[in-house]
Amino acid sequence: QKEVEQDPGPLSVPEGAIVSLNCTYSNSAFQYFMWYRQYSRKGPELLMYTYSSGNKEDGRFTAQVDKSSKYISLFIRDSQPSDSATYLCAMSVTGGSYIPTFGRGTSLIVHP
Amino acid sequence: EAQVTQNPRYLITVTGKKLTVTCSQNMNHEYMSWYRQDPGLGLRQIYYSMNVEVTDKGDVPEGYKVSRKEKRNFPLILESPSPNQTSLYFCASSSPSGGAEDTQYFGPGTRLTVL
Repeated sequence: QKEVEQDPGPLSVPEGAIVSLNCTYSNSAFQYFMWYRQYSRKGPELLMYTYSSGNKEDGRFTAQVDKSSKYISLFIRDSQPSDSATYLCAMSVTGGSYIPTFGRGTSLIVHP
Repeated sequence: EAQVTQNPRYLITVTGKKLTVTCSQNMNHEYMSWYRQDPGLGLRQIYYSMNVEVTDKGDVPEGYKVSRKEKRNFPLILESPSPNQTSLYFCASSSPSGGAEDTQYFGPGTRLTVL
């Protein structure tokens, strides 16, 4: 079993839909949780960063962490075609992100 | 503009021909890393460096070398490339200041094909 599991998709949704992206993990020592967005032919860029359990909201994006279930989610409200990208979850034991563990990424397609 | 640059962006080479992929960052970051990204396997860390002259292996270091002689540069060296090193490579940098500032900034990627 991989340390971080993420369904690669693709996930195809109509514009305006609420998108839910998820990762599960096995290492209970993970404390820092990140979501990266990667457009085609580009490097990943940080989208959301949370520490421990709880929710964090930023505009149309909400990151949720449930440490008891070892499950994290990223919700995108009112999805737009420009949200079409691969979303990678990442997590680390320490705050120093030089040794994060990444999920495989989920490909999201938002069609007009 | 804060950025991580990589060169070349695309490279086709043959088995056994030594090559170097350069990486440079202008943010004065202490930490730098190299990743490879393969379909179905996601991002895997090759090597990382916590500062000048300090490097350590990541998850998949076999067949790669790195050096960190200057803070801004972190080249990836393939002494004798093989076809299984065909991949998309990313360099990343970050600064251990705590919180979201620890985030890694990724370069644009280098697509390497080894024939």
